[in-house]
Amino acid sequence: DQQVKQNSPSLSVQEGRISILNCDYTNSMFDYFLWYKKYPAEGPTFLISISSIKDKNEDGRFTVFLNKSAKHLSLHIVPSQPGDSAVYFCAARGTNDYKLSFGAGTTVTVRA
Amino acid sequence: DTAVSQTPKYLVTQMGNDKSIKCEQNLGHDTMYWYKQDSKKFLKIMFSYNNKELIINETVPNRFSPKSPDKAHLNLHINSLELGDSAVYFCASSQSGRAAGELFFGEGSRLTVL
Repeated sequence: DQQVKQNSPSLSVQEGRISILNCDYTNSMFDYFLWYKKYPAEGPTFLISISSIKDKNEDGRFTVFLNKSAKHLSLHIVPSQPGDSAVYFCAARGTNDYKLSFGAGTTVTVRA
Repeated sequence: DTAVSQTPKYLVTQMGNDKSIKCEQNLGHDTMYWYKQDSKKFLKIMFSYNNKELIINETVPNRFSPKSPDKAHLNLHINSLELGDSAVYFCASSQSGRAAGELFFGEGSRLTVL
């Protein structure tokens, strides 16, 4: 039973344009959300996170938006660069949870 | 210096064999994890140790046994390997206190069972 869902397995975007990755969750106890980026043959690396007390968090070209009522979050990458081509995982946990629940990932391809 | 290192990176073995994957972290973290990425690409938690104490033990076959000799090491031993065990296994660590903070992952160990 997947509690974190990324319904778009892939996304192709032109360099310089915005990439928007979506993530939905079903567990209303989740209150902390993270995005991870993964290159082939490497482990996922932390990208950005957001707590449920916020609706937006920004770090350079990366912004995460949280809509708690819709149980939906999104990651915006502006502008997209070729080095952003990777798999992006959405993850979530509840308060005092030791484990993160991950989505299946979205593969982003940035075209030159 | 690799923060979270796993060995081996690739492992090909026959059904029925026993194998181990080792993990070490040099970040000084107090919590370590094993995640499995299956053919559908989901990352699923298997085990977690906090200060050498098992705190998460998801529903995995008891052929899988984690061992944490100290805070910096978490090894995964798998007995009687089956075809369905083929996957990429990721070790991770975090300085979590009471809740999972940012995880630092190793590069993964790709296990292929023939």
